[in-house]
Amino acid sequence: EDQVTQSPEALRLQEGESSSLNCSYTVSGLRGLFWYRQDPGKGPEFLFTLYSAGEEKEKERLKATLTKKESFLHITAPKPEDSATYLCAVQASSSASKIIFGSGTRLSIRP
Amino acid sequence: GAVVSQHPSWVICKSGTSVKIECRSLDFQATTMFWYRQFPKQSLMLMATSNEGSKATYEQGVEKDKFLINHASLTLSTLTVTSAHPEDSSFYICSAEMGTSGNTDTQYFGPGTRLTVL
Repeated sequence: EDQVTQSPEALRLQEGESSSLNCSYTVSGLRGLFWYRQDPGKGPEFLFTLYSAGEEKEKERLKATLTKKESFLHITAPKPEDSATYLCAVQASSSASKIIFGSGTRLSIRP
Repeated sequence: GAVVSQHPSWVICKSGTSVKIECRSLDFQATTMFWYRQFPKQSLMLMATSNEGSKATYEQGVEKDKFLINHASLTLSTLTVTSAHPEDSSFYICSAEMGTSGNTDTQYFGPGTRLTVL
């Protein structure tokens, strides 16, 4: 069964303190792995799509990497406005367009 | 680009009434749209996949007759919650799939609709 596990569940950092969020997955043929950011009461905002192991993508203070079993979202020198829930999702080769979400990591950045 | 809107953003209704939620892709055409439900502090749960011009595909455990989905055009899908009850109160989010020439299609999400059934 396709599955996505994110850790930690919650993470509190001081402004400027870099860290990483983990997304472990088991899927029958990875078609794509997605990272989204979700603010309270809003829909998810697209960040990255990764397709194959070894791929990396960056956007401002965020960098996403992918291996055959997991993905990391690295946050460098975060600011309070980076506080949000970060969601990881995978799309399997066998499931057409359907994507499966992890439970998310709630990130809080203290000024 | 890739903007998805939902209307209304919130709705309060009485038990037993029906509520319609609209999802529009504003600057692209989407042959496939998705409807999700999200309870407080939980992740998104897929309810159904909506394809333009054909019947929606519902996930296991989702009642087809209760959650009616219509995808009449390449930019509009609607979700109607029929005979709503308090347990249907939730945050409903739609997404639209933007086709690319790459390996997969990315889903772009709407801002969500908060439904409260009294």
